[in-house]
Amino acid sequence: QKEVEQNSGPLSVPEGAIASLNCTYSDRGSQSFFWYRQYSGKSPELIMFIYSNGDKEDGRFTAQLNKASQYVSLLIRDSQPSDSATYLCAVTNSWGKLQFGAGTQVVVTP
Amino acid sequence: GAGVSQSPSNKVTEKGKDVELRCDPISGHTALYWYRQSLGQGLEFLIYFQGNSAPDKSGLPSDRFSAERTGGSVSTLTIQRTQQEDSAVYLCASSLAGEEYGYTFGSGTRLTVV
Repeated sequence: QKEVEQNSGPLSVPEGAIASLNCTYSDRGSQSFFWYRQYSGKSPELIMFIYSNGDKEDGRFTAQLNKASQYVSLLIRDSQPSDSATYLCAVTNSWGKLQFGAGTQVVVTP
Repeated sequence: GAGVSQSPSNKVTEKGKDVELRCDPISGHTALYWYRQSLGQGLEFLIYFQGNSAPDKSGLPSDRFSAERTGGSVSTLTIQRTQQEDSAVYLCASSLAGEEYGYTFGSGTRLTVV
């Protein structure tokens, strides 16, 4: 079992709709959770982090964390073509090492 | 500096040659990481520095790969006797103290071994 799992996609989302990305992790001791966006040919860019159960909103992005279910998600509201990218989930495990998922490709269609 | 700086941005080398990749982290970031990303693939962890020491070298794929960090700042990743399977984008990232703060990535070095 991979430590951090994401659907590879592509996730096709109409412009203006909500994109919902999911991530599960295996280490129940994980404490810190991150979402990175990576455009094709570019390096990953940190867009959200969350440490506590519940929701955290930043502009059009909402991160949701449920430690009991070992699940973290990212919602992108009012999706724009510029949101088309690969989104990487990253989780620090119980000994503090950051583990990355393989990423979900999002394609926003006009 | 304002961001993580990597050089060169692109490197083409012949099989069997040695290459050095450089990373200059954000000023004040004590933690530095090297990752590798092959085309269409995820991030592959290589090595982690805290200050000048490397507590985690578990991702280095072979003894042809080595890295050092001096002065708690600039790091160099060296690949000896390059092979075609070494072709990838090599990404450096830095963070404050530890991994709980998230990383800032550099723009990467695209290595092509011909």
